[in-house]
Amino acid sequence: QSALTQPASVSGSPGQSITISCTGTSSDVGRYDYVSWYQQHPGKAPKLMIFGVTNRPSGVPDRFSGSKSGNTASLTISGLQAEDEAYYYCRSYTRISSLGGWIFGGGTKVTVL
Amino acid sequence: EVQLVESGGGLVQPGEFLRLSCAASGFTFNSHWMAWVRQAPGKGLEWVANIKTDGTEKYYVDSLKGRFTISRDNAKNSLYLQINSLKAEDTAVYYCTRDYDRALDVWGQGTTVTVSS
Repeated sequence: QSALTQPASVSGSPGQSITISCTGTSSDVGRYDYVSWYQQHPGKAPKLMIFGVTNRPSGVPDRFSGSKSGNTASLTISGLQAEDEAYYYCRSYTRISSLGGWIFGGGTKVTVL
Repeated sequence: EVQLVESGGGLVQPGEFLRLSCAASGFTFNSHWMAWVRQAPGKGLEWVANIKTDGTEKYYVDSLKGRFTISRDNAKNSLYLQINSLKAEDTAVYYCTRDYDRALDVWGQGTTVTVSS
């Protein structure tokens, strides 16, 4: 099971919008609406930011939004803030193997300039 | 407060085995699928395994099948991960997580496993 493809880094200035892509295949991202996104600050446990492609858990600012087109899912952060500087990982269900499973993206470092 | 607390990590030699534990509190444990995720030093997240509410279904990442066993004890609100024949590449922080609507919505603080002679 290969990892989903994410850009290694994305940067933006405070107040700007950035988008992180997560590219998979027709066996995972393209087939299932089970894409979720996680934020991880250094030395901390990951935090769920988006589930089911577009849904935000309670407590997550509405600056964070998710979408999907074909085999690529995206996380957009609008009105970038200093505290958004972190690593972001996507995750999807996959049916590449006979029983299925879950795969993460390689992670994207977001830098606030 | 919803909480997951892992334990059982440490320094072990190659070839040995380890059993990680995760104590859950603040929610109805037997109503949720649970999962283990690991993160090697300086690397990304890797899903390891998950287990159904009653323990009757278990799924593993292909590369780890055979050496890893996930289990749970709903009477004790606990999740476990047994790792056999430990290898250097198993060195990682292991996170216990709660599966909610096919996403991982609660994470423990992680327990560190270091495999070295």
